[in-house]
Amino acid sequence: TQLLEQSPQFLSIQEGENLTVYCNSSSVFSSLQWYRQEPGEGPVLLVTVVTGGEVKKLKRLTFQFGDARKDSSLHITAAQPGDTGLYLCAGDFGNEKLTFGTGTRLTIIP
Amino acid sequence: GAGVSQSPRYKVAKRGQDVALRCDPISGHVSLFWYQQALGQGPEFLTYFQNEAQLDKSGLPSDRFFAERPEGSVSTLKIQRTQQEDSAVYLCASSLFSVGTDTQYFGPGTRLTVL
Repeated sequence: TQLLEQSPQFLSIQEGENLTVYCNSSSVFSSLQWYRQEPGEGPVLLVTVVTGGEVKKLKRLTFQFGDARKDSSLHITAAQPGDTGLYLCAGDFGNEKLTFGTGTRLTIIP
Repeated sequence: GAGVSQSPRYKVAKRGQDVALRCDPISGHVSLFWYQQALGQGPEFLTYFQNEAQLDKSGLPSDRFFAERPEGSVSTLKIQRTQQEDSAVYLCASSLFSVGTDTQYFGPGTRLTVL
């Protein structure tokens, strides 16, 4: 059974601060995706990373895939209240389905 | 809009009742997925269709759960003799082809509460 652990589970910071959340597994991913989910909505895809060591940027968000393809991080620079939400990583272990992490609930305080 | 839609958005059932949850995927999308999301958790895979074929149902928690997609478009997730532990948000997602790097588009979910 592949498990994805995310940390921290909860994070509350002031507007303008930087933060990093992590996603770890004991198994190798074929690819990894990051989603953001807001209350009452389904998850929305932010990025997909495929290659070990890959770094992708989406405005103030930077996503990194570990060299061994077992972990990933999401860094947000100068957080804004609109960044508030549940951040989920999801791994494709090559078995035709996504395995989601436990999620990081992020709150940005104005 | 042309996104994934789910109905009903909210469903309250008494323990022992049967429920049916509907998913309308994006038109033309081949793959359709059902997930269960408990409060405060990430979604957990239930089952997967490619067109009308159910290719993986390994995540269905018991034989009370049944999913179908008879014409390769709309899908229904049925739960028989509901139990309190079935209370969760049920998410449907569709993708143009198969999983992996292909983007899954999620619906808003159906929140099921079993009393």
